[in-house]
Amino acid sequence: DADVTQTPRNRITKTGKRIMLECSQTKGHDRMYWYRQDPGLGLRLIYYSFDVKDINKGEISDGYSVSRQAQAKFSLSLESAIPNQTALYFCATSDSTGLRGVQPQHFGDGTRLSIL
Amino acid sequence: AQSVAQPEDQVNVAEGNPLTVKCTYSVSGNPYLFWYVQYPNRGLQFLLKYITGDNLVKGSYGFEAEFNKSQTSFHLKKPSALVSDSALYFCAVRDSGANNLFFGTGTRLTVIP
Repeated sequence: DADVTQTPRNRITKTGKRIMLECSQTKGHDRMYWYRQDPGLGLRLIYYSFDVKDINKGEISDGYSVSRQAQAKFSLSLESAIPNQTALYFCATSDSTGLRGVQPQHFGDGTRLSIL
Repeated sequence: AQSVAQPEDQVNVAEGNPLTVKCTYSVSGNPYLFWYVQYPNRGLQFLLKYITGDNLVKGSYGFEAEFNKSQTSFHLKKPSALVSDSALYFCAVRDSGANNLFFGTGTRLTVIP
């Protein structure tokens, strides 16, 4: 979905380095999410934010932090990267309006992160 | 607690035949159910959702899914498969009392010409 842009698309780095993955959206959605995808495990939620002042931990937040700089920007940081954080990372957005506030999430094309 | 299961890692079907990708779920409240598709090197794309109402839900690209409360299932179907339907399919559930989606582990669909 071109309305959700993730940078970089690919990154190779070394153990112990600090890494930031960035996500920006032009959909005007208030909610943003970070997931990681591992083969055979599906997608697991790392953090989510329902507005600029609202940040919540997901299923697997240990070793990660996030910042919601504006409604349109949500970044994910790995403070000290380790090899088992090698994965495909996705940012997603959704709108809180509509029937029961349940709207589909719209995904970026992902960041493939390799930690050596 | 909420969870979702996709019992088949891989589904193969001949082009033109009907296809089914299975999904079962577990929630404590009312379920909100979704199907997404992922093509290589792309993010997930929304196909369809069930929130309330008619148990048969129609979505993008000719896909549909049937909500079955007694069997806690939400199987994805298409009457006639296309080679271009080959992709990774994810079922996801959200409990009505929760904030987040839980995704299944995915089913790889291969449509054989």
